[in-house]
Amino acid sequence: DTAVSQTPKYLVTQMGNDKSIKCEQNLGHDTMYWYKQDSKKFLKIMFSYNNKELIINETVPNRFSPKSPDKAHLNLHINSLELGDSAVYFCASSRERDSFYEQYFGPGTRLTVT
Amino acid sequence: RKEVEQDPGPFNVPEGATVAFNCTYSNSASQSFFWYRQDCRKEPKLLMSVYSSGNEDGRFTAQLNRASQYISLLIRDSKLSDSATYLCVVNRPSGGSYIPTFGRGTSLIVHP
Repeated sequence: DTAVSQTPKYLVTQMGNDKSIKCEQNLGHDTMYWYKQDSKKFLKIMFSYNNKELIINETVPNRFSPKSPDKAHLNLHINSLELGDSAVYFCASSRERDSFYEQYFGPGTRLTVT
Repeated sequence: RKEVEQDPGPFNVPEGATVAFNCTYSNSASQSFFWYRQDCRKEPKLLMSVYSSGNEDGRFTAQLNRASQYISLLIRDSKLSDSATYLCVVNRPSGGSYIPTFGRGTSLIVHP
């Protein structure tokens, strides 16, 4: 069983479109995260939710809107996609907030904006 | 100064070599430190946590130096399969929470 899953794995779209990425974890963890890894491989946190509550928002443009319908799911919606949004987006989860526990990452969603 | 800094490498070493990586962090109030490993086009996976007293897991040894604000990873008897990017993670305080902050990673290439 996959612990943290993301869909889709690949996403190719044009500038200006709106797209969503879904993430689910079956580990029973309370905290979930979205990260962006750019072409230079720098992995940067975007958001974190703890039990459906937003706890970290790292100055991400408001075109990005996370949604957590329950603690096992954290989706990412992106409006008006730009070329600079091309990256790999990783979802992760950990047992509790404040990241004192191991994070488990999903396989990533490779987004290409043309 | 960047929040978490790593030498990007690549470190190119022969099998059997010992190699060490350092990672420095800027916020002295940071808590919880980790080393993750990331293979090409894969997700990061935990290699080991870093404890104040230092810890060892087989060929891997991690250490924390709070006074100088760095963590280190030592790999002994390198294997071809150790080739990967090694990411350090530091949890820095911000607005009542701790934010996991990754270094840019150090690339290791182990050759025959």
